[in-house]
Amino acid sequence: AQSVAQPEDQVNVAEGNPLTVKCTYSVSGNPYLFWYVQYPNRGLQFLLKYITGDNLVKGSYGFEAEFNKSQTSFHLKKPSALVSDSALYFCAVRVHGSGNTGKLIFGQGTTLQVKP
Amino acid sequence: NAGVTQTPKFRILKIGQSMTLQCTQDMNHNYMYWYRQDPGMGLKLIYYSVGAGITDKGEVPNGYNVSRSTTEDFPLRLELAAPSQTSVYFCASSYSPGGPQGTDTQYFGPGTRLTVL
Repeated sequence: AQSVAQPEDQVNVAEGNPLTVKCTYSVSGNPYLFWYVQYPNRGLQFLLKYITGDNLVKGSYGFEAEFNKSQTSFHLKKPSALVSDSALYFCAVRVHGSGNTGKLIFGQGTTLQVKP
Repeated sequence: NAGVTQTPKFRILKIGQSMTLQCTQDMNHNYMYWYRQDPGMGLKLIYYSVGAGITDKGEVPNGYNVSRSTTEDFPLRLELAAPSQTSVYFCASSYSPGGPQGTDTQYFGPGTRLTVL
């Protein structure tokens, strides 16, 4: 079965420090991977995606993610965290074998708390 | 562009009542999706549509119905509300995936917070 796991419910980091939000996946075939962010009482906003090519993907707001095929991981990173980065982060993977539907499977989400 | 809009933002229903959650997008996207978000559970796909007149079930379709008469609108219908349907509902849309497996980004509305008492 295809799945996405975010092993940490919450990540705490001090402002200015680097941050990592972890994501691992299980899919058949080549994975299409996404990161979304959700601010309180808002919808999800797209951050970045990996389809093919360079394993390091750069996205919005200074975020980047590293695709690691051998470890089946797609961790979200940022060199220097801001208090305004505090939000709920979702990793997602495109469902394979479902035709041309674009369906996504989401992880359960990780709350990032950046403290001043 | 307004993007994806959803109405209402909040609603309280009594058990057995019905309602329609509205979703409209102005990006001319072919594909539209309905998700529900429960605490600590991520997002679950309820229904999706790959174009006007075409809909299909997602992971958790029971208790819901959809229709897609136009490209812009994708309403979600709850016929007999139950407490288990208390959740936050998100609508999303995307362009037609570019290849056999699809690559395109989904854009989300602000959500509807529904409580069934």
